[in-house]
Amino acid sequence: DTGVSQDPRHKITKRGQNVTFRCDPISEHNRLYWYRQTLGQGPEFLTYFQNEAQLEKSRLLSDRFSAERPKGSFSTLEIQRTEQGDSAMYLCASRSLRGHYNEQFFGPGTRLTVL
Amino acid sequence: SQQGEEDPQALSIQEGENATMNCSYKTSINNLQWYRQNSGRGLVHLILIRSNEREKHSGRLRVTLDTSKKSSSLLITASRAADTASYFCATGLGFGSGTKLNVKP
Repeated sequence: DTGVSQDPRHKITKRGQNVTFRCDPISEHNRLYWYRQTLGQGPEFLTYFQNEAQLEKSRLLSDRFSAERPKGSFSTLEIQRTEQGDSAMYLCASRSLRGHYNEQFFGPGTRLTVL
Repeated sequence: SQQGEEDPQALSIQEGENATMNCSYKTSINNLQWYRQNSGRGLVHLILIRSNEREKHSGRLRVTLDTSKKSSSLLITASRAADTASYFCATGLGFGSGTKLNVKP
């Protein structure tokens, strides 16, 4: 257990539905990252926050994807009008900006299946 | 993209043998990191090597970095069945596609 939690762990939805995932980072970590991982591939960066500011969102896969971190603590990732191609593992990671260490602490992921 | 790419894609060895995985990347880096992922789980950070370092050790792990060749290697010595996992290198926010290691007991 890295200290980063994600909820739910599994989500099955029908095409066209909206889904929202939550990530609770390690409490003192300023940075929070979202990744998508498909089978047999490495994590693909989506977006990240420093405190409540979303510093990079150009890699979000489409305008159906959005993320928030309203109070600089937990974050949510929403996918609207889901498509079968959205089926993947969605990973969250957090990191402290203190020191020089770049280590990201990953949560267990939310596995999304779109039927 | 700074994304690393690992080689080989899959590696199967006997317990006790050493496992070597390689990573190549495209642009200049400040550091390179290696992560491990057990099947269906999140990633766990293994080791970070800075651009001004050539070699780093942590337990049974040995990482090398050659910035002139834009490559790194991860060596796991005296492998155990519990080392079975996928291993990823990461530069910046980019991850490679990983090496899937299977250590047979």
